[in-house]
Amino acid sequence: EVQLLESGGGLVQPGRSLRLSCAASGFTFGDYAMHWVRQAPGKGLEWVSGISWNSGGIGYADSVKGRFTISRDNTKNSLFLQMNGLRAEDMAFYYCAKSGRPEYSNAWYLDYWGQGTLVTVSS
Amino acid sequence: DIQVTQSPSSLSASIGDRVTITCRASQSINTYLNWYQQKPGKAPKLLIYTVSRLQSGVPSRFSGSGSGTDFTLTISSLQPEDFATYYCQQTYSIPWTFGPGTKVGIK
Repeated sequence: EVQLLESGGGLVQPGRSLRLSCAASGFTFGDYAMHWVRQAPGKGLEWVSGISWNSGGIGYADSVKGRFTISRDNTKNSLFLQMNGLRAEDMAFYYCAKSGRPEYSNAWYLDYWGQGTLVTVSS
Repeated sequence: DIQVTQSPSSLSASIGDRVTITCRASQSINTYLNWYQQKPGKAPKLLIYTVSRLQSGVPSRFSGSGSGTDFTLTISSLQPEDFATYYCQQTYSIPWTFGPGTKVGIK
């Protein structure tokens, strides 16, 4: 059974840093790209960042580029999100998600999600 | 960036109703369009990928169609467990973008 467990959320002051982690199990972690998606309370979904299986490809939303860094450790089946310079608008539930695609296509999707970790940015 | 819109933003329907949700991309996204269902307090769940492919375990009353810029999610006969918010997502280009969501409520 695929399981994704996020941790590291909490209350942080504006301008400070936080590091999120996602522990994966139930699949061969090193074979799949992974992503972070966030959702402000009561709002919609926003893709934050993604990283390829070997860390060779990385992308960010414009809203976090230059402040957030995604990384992974395939030896520990773990995904990370280093968040620096946090702002009030970064306050959200952060979901770790596994990507998949059909064998016949590069049309990616997010087939498994964690339960999320809440990041609160407030003084 | 590719913008994704959905309509309606919310709807009320009865058990057994046929429900249709529309998703539109600001440019052609081929078949790189997915649908997710989210219930309150829960993580999103993949329903349909590449426009029309049902994720394993998803009931056949859900279906998707469309191409290019216009896509549709249809629930053929609404069930009590289908009351939720539905999001479409394009993965044609980075940054991936989601539609704003359609909340399906009880009439």
